[in-house]
Amino acid sequence: DAGITQSPRHKVTETGTPVTLRCHQTENHRYMYWYRQDPGHGLRLIHYSYGVKDTDKGEVSDGYSVSRSKTEDFLLTLESATSSQTSVYFCAISERLPYNSPLHFGNGTRLTVT
Amino acid sequence: SQQGEEDPQALSIQEGENATMNCSYKTSINNLQWYRQNSGRGLVHLILIRSNEREKHSGRLRVTLDTSKKSSSLLITASRAADTASYFCATENTGNQFYFGTGTSLTVIP
Repeated sequence: DAGITQSPRHKVTETGTPVTLRCHQTENHRYMYWYRQDPGHGLRLIHYSYGVKDTDKGEVSDGYSVSRSKTEDFLLTLESATSSQTSVYFCAISERLPYNSPLHFGNGTRLTVT
Repeated sequence: SQQGEEDPQALSIQEGENATMNCSYKTSINNLQWYRQNSGRGLVHLILIRSNEREKHSGRLRVTLDTSKKSSSLLITASRAADTASYFCATENTGNQFYFGTGTSLTVIP
């Protein structure tokens, strides 16, 4: 799994609570991504990072924030969880140089918001 | 949405047959990639084709790309039960973002 660890693997939380998901890589790749996967929607990009403290929004960023204080860690925070954020969350990394490098994925975090 | 779409959504074939799945996308791309996902796992990269390439092979995989039609196809030859998985296409745009299609669920019957 290309040295990517997501934690926790499963989480159940209540509506309105904050939640933080962690992605840790040992590959020293510059780019890191957070996706969510939902039936009928495939994978949708939430946020991504192109370096320490450098992040940008994806297509479904509302309700999510990210932080990257070290190359190896990329955190995804749900400020106030809602039932619509029940999903499987995947972290991915990419070397990016040379260009046209593939994504490598973690095994996902299954989040249930009750 | 910048997502692509795969067709068909689901495909069931006998072992030994060929499986073809198609992907359409909407924007200009740097490359198109295909990924496989086994149940409960993350996606695994299969093959990448650059925007200036038309066809690429890797083992039993053959990928074509038609940028004029904004479409790609993935052919898996001589399928095996172990090929049972979901397959996704992903496009990398000029903004260094990757966008995924909705996937094709492939079942290979032994």
